[in-house]
Amino acid sequence: QKEVEQDPGPLSVPEGAIVSLNCTYSNSAFQYFMWYRQYSRKGPELLMYTYSSGNKEDGRFTAQVDKSSKYISLFIRDSQPSDSATYLCAMSATRNNDMRFGAGTRLTVKP
Amino acid sequence: DGGITQSPKYLFRKEGQNVTLSCEQNLNHDAMYWYRQDPGQGLRLIYYSQIVNDFQKGDIAEGYSVSREKKESFPLTVTSAQKNPTAFYLCASSIWDQAGNTIYFGEGSWLTVV
Repeated sequence: QKEVEQDPGPLSVPEGAIVSLNCTYSNSAFQYFMWYRQYSRKGPELLMYTYSSGNKEDGRFTAQVDKSSKYISLFIRDSQPSDSATYLCAMSATRNNDMRFGAGTRLTVKP
Repeated sequence: DGGITQSPKYLFRKEGQNVTLSCEQNLNHDAMYWYRQDPGQGLRLIYYSQIVNDFQKGDIAEGYSVSREKKESFPLTVTSAQKNPTAFYLCASSIWDQAGNTIYFGEGSWLTVV
């Protein structure tokens, strides 16, 4: 079993839809959770981060962490064609621990 | 502008050849990393370095080598011992901030074996 599981998709939605992206993990020590966005043939860029459990909102994006279920989510409201990218979840346990990445979910938002 | 510069962007290698991918950062980050990205497998850690003149193997270090002689530079050599080197390679550096160990990535290098 991988430490971090993420459905690779692909996921295709119409413009304006609400998108839900998810990851599950097995290591209960993970405390720092991040979402990266990667456009085609580019390096990933940090989109959002959360510490421990709870929600965090930034514009059209909301990140949720449920540590009891070992489940994290990224919601995108009013999705736009410019949101079309691969979204990777990432997480780590301590400051000396390396980051563990999900496989990434490829999202396409159709006009 | 601060950032991570990888070169070359595209590289073709003949079987049996060693190639070196360059990575330079001007973010003044102590830690640097090399990841490999294959379709459907996400990012896999090859090597990382927390400080100059020190580095550790990641999950898939076999067939690769690195050096860290300067804080700004962390080149990766893909040796002929790497059996399946065709992939997208990402260099990164990190800093500890409110988000945790935030990793910043370069634009990547595409390596193809011909």
